[in-house]
Amino acid sequence: EAGVTQFPSHSVIEKGQTVTLRCDPISGHDNLYWYRRVMGKEIKFLLHFVKESKQDESGMPNNRFLAERTGGTYSTLKVQPAELEDSGVYFCASSQTVHEKLFFGSGTQLSVL
Amino acid sequence: DQQVKQNSPSLSVQEGRISILNCDYTNSMFDYFLWYKKYPAEGPTFLISISSIKDKNEDGRFTVFLNKSAKHLSLHIVPSQPGDSAVYFCAASQDSSGTYKYIFGTGTRLKVLA
Repeated sequence: EAGVTQFPSHSVIEKGQTVTLRCDPISGHDNLYWYRRVMGKEIKFLLHFVKESKQDESGMPNNRFLAERTGGTYSTLKVQPAELEDSGVYFCASSQTVHEKLFFGSGTQLSVL
Repeated sequence: DQQVKQNSPSLSVQEGRISILNCDYTNSMFDYFLWYKKYPAEGPTFLISISSIKDKNEDGRFTVFLNKSAKHLSLHIVPSQPGDSAVYFCAASQDSSGTYKYIFGTGTRLKVLA
């Protein structure tokens, strides 16, 4: 069974550009989460989808971040325009039900120069 | 304001000895706790969990202890092995009002010396 996959694994962009991160959760997992880790800090919650609906987006930093989950399958996280402080590792995770462990992808390392 | 705290950024332990990783939390409504292990360039992988109705959960070399009155949990690894060298994250969650998210700590880097 395939795990959670994220693309790209690395992205280097200039301030002001747009970047789109993609996450394919484990098949059948209704719950999809986005997290971000800035170097040395906590893995910080961004948002939670249940199928295609945003259940909780309280962690989204600002309106430069837009997350979507088409048809309740894969999800994208777009940052537009990117700022220096957006640099970090963006993790996607999924679970079948809410009250169980999360399965994480390998993350996308985003560097904004 | 961080609700889950791991105050030790790093820990070194000799192979074969016990590793104890600590985690404190501030929200008394948290009802489920997990430990994740993370190797470089990989995503976190689930290690062990504990519900707030228990005070101990064991899985092989790994045991998690929960002290609700102190809002403290710890992960014990016995015996420690070089392959256990990784960053360990504590996470907590609360099921309320239809939202459910995991709050993570900053991690503790464990180094097991051969």
